[in-house]
Amino acid sequence: DAGVIQSPRHEVTEMGQEVTLRCKPISGHDYLFWYRQTMMRGLELLIYFNNNVPIDDSGMPEDRFSAKMPNASFSTLKIQPSEPRDSAVYFCASSFDRVIGYTFGSGTRLTVV
Amino acid sequence: KQEVTQIPAALSVPEGENLVLNCSFTDSAIYNLQWFRQDPGKGLTSLLLIQSSQREQTSGRLNASLDKSSGRSTLYIAASQPGDSATYLCAVRPRTGRRALTFGSGTRLQVQP
Repeated sequence: DAGVIQSPRHEVTEMGQEVTLRCKPISGHDYLFWYRQTMMRGLELLIYFNNNVPIDDSGMPEDRFSAKMPNASFSTLKIQPSEPRDSAVYFCASSFDRVIGYTFGSGTRLTVV
Repeated sequence: KQEVTQIPAALSVPEGENLVLNCSFTDSAIYNLQWFRQDPGKGLTSLLLIQSSQREQTSGRLNASLDKSSGRSTLYIAASQPGDSATYLCAVRPRTGRRALTFGSGTRLQVQP
């Protein structure tokens, strides 16, 4: 398996633009997580899905953030409009519940200027 | 609310030393604890996963222990090498409710050749 695949690896955008981050989880995993990592706050959970259904989105900072999982092999995290304080590394992770640990993707480094 | 603390925040040692990284958590009702490694600008690589019923796990030069009742875990690295230089993160998954991991802020390790 190729692991958790995220795209793009790097994204630089101007304030106010829409940004879409993409994630392909490991086949067969039934949980998908979106995390954000910053120097100040470390790794923070944004949202997670179970069997494509959002379970907990309490970590989503505000209405500018939205996430979808239309099927078991694809998820998106969208920021509209983007702001400089959204600059961070965004990680996607997947897991097969109660059996193994979590596998993380390589992350998307987002810079909003 | 679960809080995870890692001490020390940074550590610099000469090559060949054995070292211990510490992780503590406030809520002992965990399902498992996972240690990750993160290289600069990279994603998280899982090192060891300890289920709540286990006391320790070993992989090569790494040994992780878990004392759930006291809310502590240690990661022992034997005969450290410059290639071990990275940030080490511990994360706990709760036994009930939210499936997501709560992360510590990490220990940044530098092994001097």
